[in-house]
Parts: sequence; structure tokens; C-alpha cells
Amino acid sequence: DTAVSQTPKYLVTQMGNDKSIKCEQNLGHDTMYWYKQDSKKFLKIMFSYNNKELIINETVPNRFSPKSPDKAHLNLHINSLELGDSAVYFCASSQVGGGPTEAFFGQGTRLTVV
Amino acid sequence: AQSVTQLGSHVSVSEGALVLLRCNYSSSVPPYLFWYVQYPNQGLQLLLKYTSAATLVKGINGFEAEFKKSETSFHLTKPSAHMSDAAEYFCAVSTSGGSYIPTFGRGTSLIVHP
Repeated sequence: DTAVSQTPKYLVTQMGNDKSIKCEQNLGHDTMYWYKQDSKKFLKIMFSYNNKELIINETVPNRFSPKSPDKAHLNLHINSLELGDSAVYFCASSQVGGGPTEAFFGQGTRLTVV
Repeated sequence: AQSVTQLGSHVSVSEGALVLLRCNYSSSVPPYLFWYVQYPNQGLQLLLKYTSAATLVKGINGFEAEFKKSETSFHLTKPSAHMSDAAEYFCAVSTSGGSYIPTFGRGTSLIVHP
């Protein structure tokens, strides 16, 4: 039973398209995240979201937007894809309220923009 | 602000040798510290965590780390390397000042020679 699952695992698309990556966690955590891992393996936080607050990394282009239909889901929408968006995107979750726990990660979505 | 520095983007050891991966953190408030491992084409898996209890923390697969406040360090060690330990290792910090969003170091690639 996967704790944090994201789909699809691979995504190949053309420049200019709009795409979404879905993420679901069954851990009952109150906070979810999206990270971008570049070709040098660097992990950069993009968004942090719980039911009270959305924190956006100011360096993230506004073509990226998180959408949370409920506490267990945080999807990532990307408009007008660019070549530089090619990377691996990780969804994660943790429990912050009541004392923070470690973050649990999904398996990643490898996005290739051609 | 919180940050993590991992010294050495690559560490090479022989099988059976000591593994030492270095991590220094910066934080103006008490930190929570984590080590994660990433195998190729997979997500991040927690090795161990420091959450203000014991300063010497034991994790999975024989790894341990020691929190040293005076040195702002949280180095990861393992007495005897196995071939299966070859992977990317990430140190991370989260604090109340950073809304408990984990900030990651740039990672250290561990290479194990037979």
C-alpha cells in the first residue's frame, strides 16, 4: 500500500503544452509538497501546502500551480511547458501539526519537454 | 533562514571501509535534521532523523549520525560499506523558522569499489 503515489511516472510532451501531475497520500498528513530535482540532483522546493496555508517558492514561474481538491491530494499543473521544465518532480507529505515528522516521498515523475 | 551544506559531491570508498558523509547546517532556531538515500530512478527514503532527543541517531542499513551543535554538523557514518550502499545521499533540515519545510543539501554520490 503506497504511502505517497504520483502519476504518471514518465511524461513526454511538446513545448507549449499544458500538463498535470497527480499526487495522493494515504498517511493522513496535514502538509504536502512539490519538489523539482534537476539534472544535477538538486532538490528545490516549489510549493508547500496544508489546509491553512500555501507557501510558494518565489523563484517558481507562475506557469506552475498547485491544486488541492482535498487534504490527501496535491496536483501540479504546468502551463505552456518549456524545455527548461524538463526534470524529475517529486511529491512529498509530512505531519507538521503536533510536532513535525519527516517527509515521505513519492517515486517521482520524470518530465521531458521536447 | 535554514540551509544545509554537504561537503563533497562524490565520495569513493572500498567495500568494507568506513563511510563518512559530511553535512553542516545553518539555522537560528533548533533544527530537525534528516538523512535520505536515493537509489537510481527512485524516490527518497529516510535513513534516519534527529528531532532533539538523543544526539547519536541510529538508522536503517547500519547507518548512524551524530548531532553536534557546537560544530553545526550532522555527519553520516557506517562502519563497513557494502556494494548495495552505492546511491545518492541527501542531508535535510527543517525548522519552525522555515515553516518546517525541508531544505535539502546538494547531495553526495557514494561510490563503493569492490
